[in-house]
Amino acid sequence: QQPVQSPQAVILREGEDAVINCSSSKALYSVHWYRQKHGEAPVFLMILLKGGEQKGHEKISASFNEKKQQSSLYLTASQLSYSGTYFCGTDLSGSARQLTFGSGTQLTVLP
Amino acid sequence: DTAVSQTPKYLVTQMGNDKSIKCEQNLGHDTMYWYKQDSKKFLKIMFSYNNKELIINETVPNRFSPKSPDKAHLNLHINSLELGDSAVYFCASSQALAQPQHFGDGTRLSIL
Repeated sequence: QQPVQSPQAVILREGEDAVINCSSSKALYSVHWYRQKHGEAPVFLMILLKGGEQKGHEKISASFNEKKQQSSLYLTASQLSYSGTYFCGTDLSGSARQLTFGSGTQLTVLP
Repeated sequence: DTAVSQTPKYLVTQMGNDKSIKCEQNLGHDTMYWYKQDSKKFLKIMFSYNNKELIINETVPNRFSPKSPDKAHLNLHINSLELGDSAVYFCASSQALAQPQHFGDGTRLSIL
Protein backbone atom coordinates (compact mmCIF):
# COMPACT_ATOMS: atom_id res chain seq x y z
CA GLN A 1 0.00 0.00 0.00
CA GLN A 2 1.55 3.25 -1.12
CA PRO A 3 2.21 6.13 1.27
CA VAL A 4 0.00 9.21 1.04
CA GLN A 5 1.59 12.53 0.20
CA SER A 6 0.08 15.92 0.88
CA PRO A 7 -0.46 18.35 -0.57
CA GLN A 8 -0.77 17.05 -4.12
CA ALA A 9 0.42 20.36 -5.48
CA VAL A 10 1.71 23.64 -4.12
CA ILE A 11 2.60 26.96 -5.73
CA LEU A 12 5.02 29.30 -4.01
CA ARG A 13 6.77 32.56 -4.60
CA GLU A 14 10.54 32.55 -4.46
CA GLY A 15 11.67 32.89 -0.87
CA GLU A 16 8.60 31.26 0.67
CA ASP A 17 8.62 28.06 2.71
CA ALA A 18 6.84 24.78 2.04
CA VAL A 19 6.18 21.52 3.86
CA ILE A 20 5.44 18.22 2.15
CA ASN A 21 4.07 15.37 4.19
CA CYS A 22 4.29 11.63 3.68
CA SER A 23 2.27 9.24 5.80
CA SER A 24 1.63 5.54 5.87
CA SER A 25 -0.98 3.25 7.37
CA LYS A 26 1.78 0.69 7.97
CA ALA A 27 4.90 0.92 10.07
CA LEU A 28 7.74 2.73 8.34
CA TYR A 29 11.29 1.46 8.57
CA SER A 30 12.87 4.16 6.47
CA VAL A 31 11.85 7.07 4.27
CA HIS A 32 13.58 8.22 1.10
CA TRP A 33 12.96 11.57 -0.59
CA TYR A 34 13.49 12.26 -4.30
CA ARG A 35 12.87 15.21 -6.58
CA GLN A 36 11.98 14.87 -10.25
CA LYS A 37 12.03 17.79 -12.65
CA HIS A 38 9.79 17.66 -15.69
CA GLY A 39 11.11 15.26 -18.31
CA GLU A 40 14.03 14.17 -16.15
CA ALA A 41 14.93 11.30 -13.86
CA PRO A 42 14.23 11.36 -10.12
CA VAL A 43 17.17 12.61 -8.08
CA PHE A 44 17.94 11.48 -4.56
CA LEU A 45 17.60 14.07 -1.77
CA MET A 46 17.92 12.19 1.52
CA ILE A 47 17.18 9.05 3.51
CA LEU A 48 15.89 8.90 7.06
CA LEU A 49 16.54 5.58 8.71
CA LYS A 50 15.46 6.01 12.28
CA GLY A 51 12.46 7.38 14.02
CA GLY A 52 13.16 10.88 15.26
CA GLU A 53 15.91 11.37 12.73
CA GLN A 54 16.22 14.71 11.05
CA LYS A 55 18.43 15.58 8.15
CA GLY A 56 19.12 18.65 6.13
CA HIS A 57 21.05 19.88 3.19
CA GLU A 58 21.26 23.61 2.75
CA LYS A 59 17.68 24.78 2.88
CA ILE A 60 15.96 21.42 2.44
CA SER A 61 15.47 19.27 5.51
CA ALA A 62 13.31 16.35 6.60
CA SER A 63 12.06 14.66 9.71
CA PHE A 64 10.82 11.15 10.41
CA ASN A 65 8.27 10.44 13.10
CA GLU A 66 8.26 6.68 13.47
CA LYS A 67 5.37 6.56 15.92
CA LYS A 68 3.12 8.66 13.73
CA GLN A 69 4.31 6.73 10.68
CA GLN A 70 5.06 9.89 8.79
CA SER A 71 7.83 12.03 7.38
CA SER A 72 7.90 15.67 6.39
CA LEU A 73 10.11 17.51 3.93
CA TYR A 74 10.79 21.18 4.67
CA LEU A 75 11.85 23.60 1.96
CA THR A 76 13.01 26.91 3.35
CA ALA A 77 13.31 30.13 1.35
CA SER A 78 12.37 28.34 -1.87
CA GLN A 79 14.43 28.92 -4.97
CA LEU A 80 13.28 28.59 -8.57
CA SER A 81 15.41 25.46 -8.86
CA TYR A 82 13.27 23.74 -6.23
CA SER A 83 10.41 23.34 -8.70
CA GLY A 84 9.59 19.74 -9.50
CA THR A 85 7.69 16.75 -8.19
CA TYR A 86 8.76 15.43 -4.81
CA PHE A 87 8.33 11.76 -4.02
CA CYS A 88 8.66 9.95 -0.75
CA GLY A 89 9.60 6.30 -0.92
CA THR A 90 9.04 4.03 1.98
CA ASP A 91 10.31 0.67 3.06
CA LEU A 92 7.26 -1.03 4.44
CA SER A 93 8.71 -4.48 4.97
CA GLY A 94 11.79 -3.71 6.95
CA SER A 95 13.80 -5.81 4.54
CA ALA A 96 14.83 -2.73 2.57
CA ARG A 97 14.32 -4.70 -0.61
CA GLN A 98 11.87 -2.40 -2.32
CA LEU A 99 10.60 1.10 -2.01
CA THR A 100 6.97 2.01 -2.41
CA PHE A 101 6.63 5.57 -3.63
CA GLY A 102 3.87 8.03 -2.89
CA SER A 103 1.97 9.71 -5.70
CA GLY A 104 4.15 12.79 -5.55
CA THR A 105 3.77 16.48 -4.68
CA GLN A 106 4.17 18.95 -7.52
CA LEU A 107 5.97 22.05 -6.30
CA THR A 108 6.08 25.17 -8.46
CA VAL A 109 8.19 28.13 -7.41
CA LEU A 110 7.38 31.39 -9.15
CA PRO A 111 9.66 34.43 -9.37
CA ASP B 1 30.49 9.64 -17.74
CA THR B 2 26.89 8.58 -17.44
CA ALA B 3 26.28 6.68 -14.20
CA VAL B 4 23.14 4.78 -15.21
CA SER B 5 22.42 4.59 -18.91
CA GLN B 6 19.35 3.22 -20.63
CA THR B 7 18.73 2.50 -24.27
CA PRO B 8 16.74 3.32 -26.21
CA LYS B 9 15.49 6.68 -24.96
CA TYR B 10 12.32 6.39 -27.00
CA LEU B 11 10.58 3.23 -28.15
CA VAL B 12 7.50 3.30 -30.37
CA THR B 13 6.04 -0.04 -31.35
CA GLN B 14 2.83 -1.87 -32.08
CA MET B 15 0.66 -3.89 -29.78
CA GLY B 16 1.67 -7.54 -29.62
CA ASN B 17 5.35 -6.97 -30.32
CA ASP B 18 8.22 -8.03 -28.05
CA LYS B 19 10.79 -5.44 -27.05
CA SER B 20 13.78 -5.00 -24.76
CA ILE B 21 15.22 -2.07 -22.87
CA LYS B 22 18.87 -2.15 -21.83
CA CYS B 23 20.32 -0.71 -18.65
CA GLU B 24 23.94 -0.40 -17.60
CA GLN B 25 25.50 1.21 -14.54
CA ASN B 26 29.17 2.08 -14.11
CA LEU B 27 28.94 2.92 -10.40
CA GLY B 28 29.95 -0.50 -9.14
CA HIS B 29 26.61 -0.85 -7.40
CA ASP B 30 25.30 -4.19 -6.19
CA THR B 31 21.58 -3.55 -6.62
CA MET B 32 19.57 -2.58 -9.68
CA TYR B 33 15.89 -1.77 -10.17
CA TRP B 34 13.24 -1.24 -12.79
CA TYR B 35 10.40 1.26 -12.26
CA LYS B 36 7.37 2.14 -14.35
CA GLN B 37 6.07 5.71 -14.31
CA ASP B 38 2.64 6.17 -15.84
CA SER B 39 1.00 9.29 -17.23
CA LYS B 40 -0.10 10.31 -13.73
CA LYS B 41 3.55 10.29 -12.63
CA PHE B 42 3.01 7.37 -10.27
CA LEU B 43 6.42 5.70 -9.81
CA LYS B 44 5.99 1.96 -9.30
CA ILE B 45 8.70 -0.56 -8.50
CA MET B 46 8.70 -3.52 -10.85
CA PHE B 47 11.83 -5.46 -9.97
CA SER B 48 14.86 -5.24 -7.77
CA TYR B 49 17.94 -7.40 -8.26
CA ASN B 50 20.56 -7.84 -5.58
CA ASN B 51 23.26 -10.50 -5.40
CA LYS B 52 21.47 -12.66 -7.92
CA GLU B 53 18.26 -12.44 -5.94
CA LEU B 54 15.35 -11.17 -7.94
CA ILE B 55 12.45 -9.57 -6.13
CA ILE B 56 9.35 -9.17 -8.20
CA ASN B 57 6.50 -6.85 -7.45
CA GLU B 58 3.53 -9.21 -7.46
CA THR B 59 1.44 -6.84 -9.54
CA VAL B 60 3.80 -7.00 -12.52
CA PRO B 61 2.50 -9.21 -15.36
CA ASN B 62 4.73 -12.14 -16.26
CA ARG B 63 5.08 -10.66 -19.75
CA PHE B 64 7.80 -8.56 -18.14
CA SER B 65 11.07 -10.27 -17.34
CA PRO B 66 14.39 -8.82 -16.19
CA LYS B 67 17.66 -10.34 -17.31
CA SER B 68 20.97 -9.65 -15.63
CA PRO B 69 24.02 -10.91 -17.55
CA ASP B 70 26.29 -9.37 -14.91
CA LYS B 71 26.22 -7.03 -11.95
CA ALA B 72 26.44 -3.92 -14.13
CA HIS B 73 23.48 -4.74 -16.36
CA LEU B 74 19.79 -5.32 -15.85
CA ASN B 75 17.79 -5.50 -19.04
CA LEU B 76 14.01 -5.53 -19.28
CA HIS B 77 12.21 -7.77 -21.75
CA ILE B 78 8.56 -7.26 -22.51
CA ASN B 79 6.50 -9.77 -24.45
CA SER B 80 3.19 -9.22 -26.22
CA LEU B 81 3.07 -5.49 -25.58
CA GLU B 82 -0.29 -3.99 -24.64
CA LEU B 83 -1.63 -0.46 -24.79
CA GLY B 84 -1.43 -0.19 -21.01
CA ASP B 85 2.31 -0.74 -21.13
CA SER B 86 2.79 2.77 -22.48
CA ALA B 87 4.81 4.60 -19.85
CA VAL B 88 8.28 5.81 -18.97
CA TYR B 89 10.48 3.01 -17.65
CA PHE B 90 13.34 3.94 -15.33
CA CYS B 91 16.30 1.84 -14.42
CA ALA B 92 18.08 2.64 -11.16
CA SER B 93 20.94 1.32 -9.08
CA SER B 94 22.18 1.62 -5.52
CA GLN B 95 25.24 0.48 -3.59
CA ALA B 96 23.06 -1.79 -1.52
CA LEU B 97 19.46 -2.16 -0.51
CA ALA B 98 18.08 0.90 1.32
CA GLN B 99 20.80 3.12 -0.11
CA PRO B 100 20.35 6.17 -2.38
CA GLN B 101 19.23 5.18 -5.83
CA HIS B 102 20.67 6.65 -9.01
CA PHE B 103 18.20 6.72 -11.87
CA GLY B 104 18.76 6.49 -15.59
CA ASP B 105 17.15 9.05 -17.89
CA GLY B 106 14.22 6.78 -18.65
CA THR B 107 12.83 5.06 -21.73
CA ARG B 108 9.56 6.41 -23.06
CA LEU B 109 7.59 3.47 -24.44
CA SER B 110 4.63 4.21 -26.67
CA ILE B 111 2.35 1.45 -27.93
CA LEU B 112 0.38 2.10 -31.09
